[in-house]
Amino acid sequence: DAGVIQSPRHEVTEMGQEVTLRCKPISGHNSLFWYRQTMMRGLELLIYFNNNVPIDDSGMPEDRFSAKMPNASFSTLKIQPSEPRDSAVYFCASSQAGTSGGHEQYFGPGTRLTVT
Amino acid sequence: KNQVEQSPQSLIILEGKNCTLQCNYTVSPFSNLRWYKQDTGRGPVSLTIMTFSENTKSNGRYTATLDADTKQSSLHITASQLSDSASYICVVRRNNAGNMLTFGGGTRLMVKP
Repeated sequence: DAGVIQSPRHEVTEMGQEVTLRCKPISGHNSLFWYRQTMMRGLELLIYFNNNVPIDDSGMPEDRFSAKMPNASFSTLKIQPSEPRDSAVYFCASSQAGTSGGHEQYFGPGTRLTVT
Repeated sequence: KNQVEQSPQSLIILEGKNCTLQCNYTVSPFSNLRWYKQDTGRGPVSLTIMTFSENTKSNGRYTATLDADTKQSSLHITASQLSDSASYICVVRRNNAGNMLTFGGGTRLMVKP
């Protein structure tokens, strides 16, 4: 298995532009997570999907952020319009939640976003 | 408030030496605790996962301990190697919280030759 795949790996954009980050979870996993990591705040959960349905989006900073999961093998995180303070590394992770829940999360390589 | 605190924030050791990283948590009710290793420019990778009933678990040169009574965990690295240079993140799952995890701020370890 190729693991969690994210694209692009690096994104540099100007303030005000729309940014779309993409994630392909591990095949067979039914939970998908979007995280943001900065030096100041560490890893923060933005949103979590289970069986393609958003379960908790309380970590999404504001309305400029949106996430979708149209099918089990693809998710996007969109920022519109982007701002310099959105500069961070964005990770996607997936897991297979069993009846006990909370199975291992496997992280992608991340997308390093720089907004100038 | 459910929190995970790690210490030290950063650590420099010489190759071949041992070190211990600390994690204190207030997450309740507790389900399990994970230690992740994150190399620079990469995503976190799980080292160990421990449940309430486990107090020690090893993965090669990495040994994690858990004291659920005092809500403390440690990660001990034996005979450090240059490749151990990374951030180590303590992560706690709260029971009945589904797949949601609470992350510590991490300890950045640098192993020097």
